[in-house]
Amino acid sequence: EPEVTQTPSHQVTQMGQEVILRCVPISNHLYFYWYRQILGQKVEFLVSFYNNEISEKSEIFDDQFSVERPDGSNFTLKIRSTKLEDSAMYFCASREDSLGEQYFGPGTRLTVT
Amino acid sequence: GENVEQHPSTLSVQEGDSAVIKCTYSDSASNYFPWYKQELGKGPQLIIDIRSNVGEKKDQRIAVTLNKTAKHFSLHITETQPEDSAVYFCAASTKAGTALIFGKGTTLSVSS
Repeated sequence: EPEVTQTPSHQVTQMGQEVILRCVPISNHLYFYWYRQILGQKVEFLVSFYNNEISEKSEIFDDQFSVERPDGSNFTLKIRSTKLEDSAMYFCASREDSLGEQYFGPGTRLTVT
Repeated sequence: GENVEQHPSTLSVQEGDSAVIKCTYSDSASNYFPWYKQELGKGPQLIIDIRSNVGEKKDQRIAVTLNKTAKHFSLHITETQPEDSAVYFCAASTKAGTALIFGKGTTLSVSS
């Protein structure tokens, strides 16, 4: 069964450093998302991406964040200057069309020290 | 924007009992309501969903009901098994293709 994959599974970085989280969505999917989950809390929406542009973003997704689909398979989330409060599990999700199910990847645990 | 409330935050049942988790939403324009199961260290996995043109949907031991007038929807798990133990999240989406807004989750523990 096709699945969303994410790398790395765990990233440790120092405050102020840039990180790039990578996702490979399911191959025929057209809509892509990033969510985050701070330990013990609910899953929060960050950004959605369709047709090579951001279609929706939350208040969390400020100027420190950016997304990119650099080629036909990868979807990346960049945090320019990480803060301690960016420590969370980051999930990528994709869906085939506007009415379909969102499939989530296994997540990347980001730890900012 | 949409706000989703979920209750209870924890639920403990005996194997074989039923479990019910309830969610309310605020935006009457929401039309898609999925339920996700999250096991430790993994991403959320869809277990069942319902759209606003349907009042109830069932898949084996799992069912979801939707009351659009009251703006609430519920997950029902019958004949619970220890492997049902996980965190369950409800979510809502206001229009096709848009973000899911999640509830805070319910930790279900099924003891044998």
